[in-house]
Amino acid sequence: DADVTQTPRNRITKTGKRIMLECSQTKGHDRMYWYRQDPGLGLQLIYYSFDVKDINKGEISDGYSVSRQAQAKFSLSLESAIPNQTALYFCATSARGQGSDTQYFGPGTRLTVL
Amino acid sequence: QQPVQSPQAVILREGEDAVINCSSSKALYSVHWYRQKHGEAPVFLMILLKGGEQKGHEKISASFNEKKQQSSLYLTASQLSYSGTYFCGVNFGNEKLTFGTGTRLTIIP
Repeated sequence: DADVTQTPRNRITKTGKRIMLECSQTKGHDRMYWYRQDPGLGLQLIYYSFDVKDINKGEISDGYSVSRQAQAKFSLSLESAIPNQTALYFCATSARGQGSDTQYFGPGTRLTVL
Repeated sequence: QQPVQSPQAVILREGEDAVINCSSSKALYSVHWYRQKHGEAPVFLMILLKGGEQKGHEKISASFNEKKQQSSLYLTASQLSYSGTYFCGVNFGNEKLTFGTGTRLTIIP
């Protein structure tokens, strides 16, 4: 079984709709991240969480919100989707205290906003 | 603050060598290298820590020059399976990674 899972894997929605992307992990990591990747570009950090009670904005948080329901679950919401948010979304996890912050990525969710 | 990667793209024949560079304008605590196949998740390759030595295994290795705030990834005797986009992720000491824009590597038979 995959250590980091994302649901759904693909989603097509319409402008103005609210949608939620979910991430679950069995790695036992306390840190979780949401990234966005546009075609041909790198990974941009949307939000990150170092534990259940710690939520932080990343570089491009406008138009997004998150919820850390448990150590193993981190959800990303688009309150009112717009076509500009069409992208590949990745969740990642890392462990505290190793001094490395190596991140492990989920398989991604391909989101299309029409 | 985004690290700059060079080259942006490279095409090699199987068996040739490649070097991918990652440069930062700010001091680095660590550098992480990832490879991403098209449409798939980035996969961790290796990490280089400040004060650490060059890392690597078999035909993929990397170095970290703290003074120049630069890291290089070395791929020797490239294989078809090495194709993909390589990203460096840098840690400025703030417990997050900032990723470069990537280097697309294509290996042809």
